[in-house]
Amino acid sequence: KAGVTQTPRYLIKTRGQQVTLSCSPISGHRSVSWYQQTPGQGLQFLFEYFSETQRNKGNFPGRFSGRQFSNSRSEMNVSTLELGDSALYLCASSRRTGREETQYFGPGTRLLVL
Amino acid sequence: GQQVMQIPQYQHVQEGEDFTTYCNSSTTLSNIQWYKQRPGGHPVFLIQLVKSGEVKKQKRLTFQFGEAKKNSSLHITATQTTDVGTYFCAVRGSGSARQLTFGSGTQLTVLP
Repeated sequence: KAGVTQTPRYLIKTRGQQVTLSCSPISGHRSVSWYQQTPGQGLQFLFEYFSETQRNKGNFPGRFSGRQFSNSRSEMNVSTLELGDSALYLCASSRRTGREETQYFGPGTRLLVL
Repeated sequence: GQQVMQIPQYQHVQEGEDFTTYCNSSTTLSNIQWYKQRPGGHPVFLIQLVKSGEVKKQKRLTFQFGEAKKNSSLHITATQTTDVGTYFCAVRGSGSARQLTFGSGTQLTVLP
């Protein structure tokens, strides 16, 4: 079974621009979560989508948004980029089996904002 | 979401030595998961613990969930250079806050 894929893998943008990142979950997984990872703040939850609906949202400004399509693929968008948005953006898909819900992470998109 | 404190932040060990990382919460946890992230890689799921006092083993790795379900530990026996990476615990909230909240991680360096 193919793993979680994310595109692009690397991205360089300048302040004020906007960016869209894409995530394709493991086949059959309907839940997709997004995380921001930085050396200073660690792994921080952005949002989770399930069946095209946002199920949970972390404490990020409205510049961060996302969506999920009917095939479970997800995108996240960051508008008006700031230097502090430079980070590794990780997508994870999961499927619940009984009491277990394991997250499978993609390789991430490394975003550098200049 | 729920908060969890993870210590230590960094650990350097000589190859062959043991290593332990701890996660602590002020509230009772319904479950705890452990992930490993190799340098330059992404987090990879290791295990989930749900029962009070639960102990699970994976080769040289031993995972424990405290009796009160407020703490957990990951112990590696006789570390190898392949154990290098950052180990995270993560807890899932409940109700409207079911997202996974990660600890700050313990970065393990194994010196050959």
